[in-house]
Amino acid sequence: DGGITQSPKYLFRKEGQNVTLSCEQNLNHDAMYWYRQDPGQGLRLIYYSQIVNDFQKGDIAEGYSVSREKKESFPLTVTSAQKNPTAFYLCASSRQRTGYEQYFGPGTRLTVT
Amino acid sequence: QKEVEQNSGPLSVPEGAIASLNCTYSDRGSQSFFWYRQYSGKSPELIMSIYSNGDKEDGRFTAQLNKASQYVSLLIRDSQPSDSATYLCAVFNTGNQFYFGTGTSLTVIP
Repeated sequence: DGGITQSPKYLFRKEGQNVTLSCEQNLNHDAMYWYRQDPGQGLRLIYYSQIVNDFQKGDIAEGYSVSREKKESFPLTVTSAQKNPTAFYLCASSRQRTGYEQYFGPGTRLTVT
Repeated sequence: QKEVEQNSGPLSVPEGAIASLNCTYSDRGSQSFFWYRQYSGKSPELIMSIYSNGDKEDGRFTAQLNKASQYVSLLIRDSQPSDSATYLCAVFNTGNQFYFGTGTSLTVIP
């Protein structure tokens, strides 16, 4: 059963702590993405990766870091430098970056207090 | 000017009616267009993709693309309460960037 998994579904952290969100896909997609969605707002791109060991900053990369050591995995770390980390985080993948449909995981809702 | 613009709504239609959702985009050279459905608290789900001018039908859904006017629309026929969601328009533009609109909230009234 192909798809994208994200874990955990809900995550609570204290301010000042780094936290890592998991994203795994078994669709054999080359490209993977991380988005952030705030209430009543659209999706904003944090980072994307077109190939293993390569990734690019999106529109709001400050305070976040990623790695792409395996094709299937694209974890996102929310660092203490991110000023407003509470949000709904969505991971997506596509066959390739150029023009193909993106498919989303179920998301992780992060709350930082 | 935003890359992709949608009327935020809310749009309300009675059950069984046609719901019409519209989206405009700024990059005239854009080639790939997508509609996603997002239920409250859930992630977006791809429902339609369209690449050529004209209509593309899939069940109760029809996507319409007019590149000359730079708009793409989604029609939902025989609307059901289960269609109540936010619909996101997405465009892949000539800068190799994938942009989402902020979404239109649709409510289908039984």
